[in-house]
Amino acid sequence: GAGVSQSPSNKVTEKGKDVELRCDPISGHTALYWYRQSLGQGLEFLIYFQGNSAPDKSGLPSDRFSAERTGGSVSTLTIQRTQQEDSAVYLCASSLHTNRGGYTFGSGTRLTVV
Amino acid sequence: GESVGLHLPTLSVQEGDNSIINCAYSNSASDYFIWYKQESGKGPQFIIDIRSNMDKRQGQRVTVLLNKTVKHLSLQIAATQPGDSAVYFCAENGYTGNQFYFGTGTSLTVIP
Repeated sequence: GAGVSQSPSNKVTEKGKDVELRCDPISGHTALYWYRQSLGQGLEFLIYFQGNSAPDKSGLPSDRFSAERTGGSVSTLTIQRTQQEDSAVYLCASSLHTNRGGYTFGSGTRLTVV
Repeated sequence: GESVGLHLPTLSVQEGDNSIINCAYSNSASDYFIWYKQESGKGPQFIIDIRSNMDKRQGQRVTVLLNKTVKHLSLQIAATQPGDSAVYFCAENGYTGNQFYFGTGTSLTVIP
């Protein structure tokens, strides 16, 4: 597609439920990133995929968070047993190169845990 | 750990004036920096980048200045317009080069 697509755009879930957030990166972009943005805060790195290499999971805040990338394209971020502090905007980005040109971000999924 | 900070969390300027947004970074190994603009309800959008072998780079109405000695980055916007109102983030690529570390952001408001 023309840009990075994320779905859903908004998600309200009850505390304790699992959620899945989806990201469709730009076709041909080998690098894919997930970031989290809390209200009025900067972007917090979560996880990074590059081609067929093992993902860099160093930013995942707890074992309730996991992500996968199937076929080197679509990625799913899963949050199990959601907590209220998980409420944030989850941003996905992709890039062709890791060291120039920066990322192209999607519009994000706004997650609200009630 | 990584630390990217901004001197001013908010900035208000009159339409037509020039804007300067500042950013301090902590990792001397960072060699690539990007400024992003984020409008309400949207993801961050690339504005301009600069490598550590440069101290200035110009784009359309925007200029980025890099001072590696004091680990400081600034974004200058000429003739600021209402459409420039947004949150601006600086980002550095850190010691791994595989991901970018973002600051908290500066909210720019342009007063008509």
